[in-house]
Amino acid sequence: GAGVSQSPRYKVAKRGQDVALRCDPISGHVSLFWYQQALGQGPEFLTYFQNEAQLDKSGLPSDRFFAERPEGSVSTLKIQRTQQEDSAVYLCASSYPRGAGPLSSYNSPLHFGNGTRLTVT
Amino acid sequence: AQTVTQSQPEMSVQEAETVTLSCTYDTSESDYYLFWYKQPPSRQMILVIRQEAYKQQNATENRFSVNFQKAAKSFSLKISDSQLGDAAMYFCAYRGETSGSRLTFGEGTQLTVNP
Repeated sequence: GAGVSQSPRYKVAKRGQDVALRCDPISGHVSLFWYQQALGQGPEFLTYFQNEAQLDKSGLPSDRFFAERPEGSVSTLKIQRTQQEDSAVYLCASSYPRGAGPLSSYNSPLHFGNGTRLTVT
Repeated sequence: AQTVTQSQPEMSVQEAETVTLSCTYDTSESDYYLFWYKQPPSRQMILVIRQEAYKQQNATENRFSVNFQKAAKSFSLKISDSQLGDAAMYFCAYRGETSGSRLTFGEGTQLTVNP
């Protein structure tokens, strides 16, 4: 498909389990973002990749959160030893088509996936 | 740090009527973008409209328009001729020149459209 794809759509984990959430961005998009959206709130920034480089991880709430994008395409957000406060929707977004020019990095619109709803019991 | 505030947790409108959603923001940057996103129950964030801060003219996209007041740091969304499909959560968002490409979102406004 042409959009951002996230899997799984729903994930239930017992407290203490590790989870991995996958994001397939739009083909050719350089930038990839992860956001966390708690129930009834706006999304909050977690981390940002430009190609395979993680340029900003300042939003990751703890060292239990880890993201990677090894080949500059698919990204995985991993949460270790999940806690109840990790329950949220995790949104992935991509932008900035490769070859569009450096200014486009700033003004390219973000395209979001449908998110993964994580419930930690 | 930049902040975005949406003071209306819920709004409702009659079908075919007009509704305005409010958003204010705080920043010390001179160059930035402002956005309105729509999030239906499918959870996908859909871009409704965006405004570049250096442009004085208010952005419009069909039935959607904004009232951008830079001095007041206000960015409201007007939906004309509301349709049942407009019902969703609406988020105001900010992207600044020094924040890289990250977006800062408001808390959201749940819009209900009554037939």
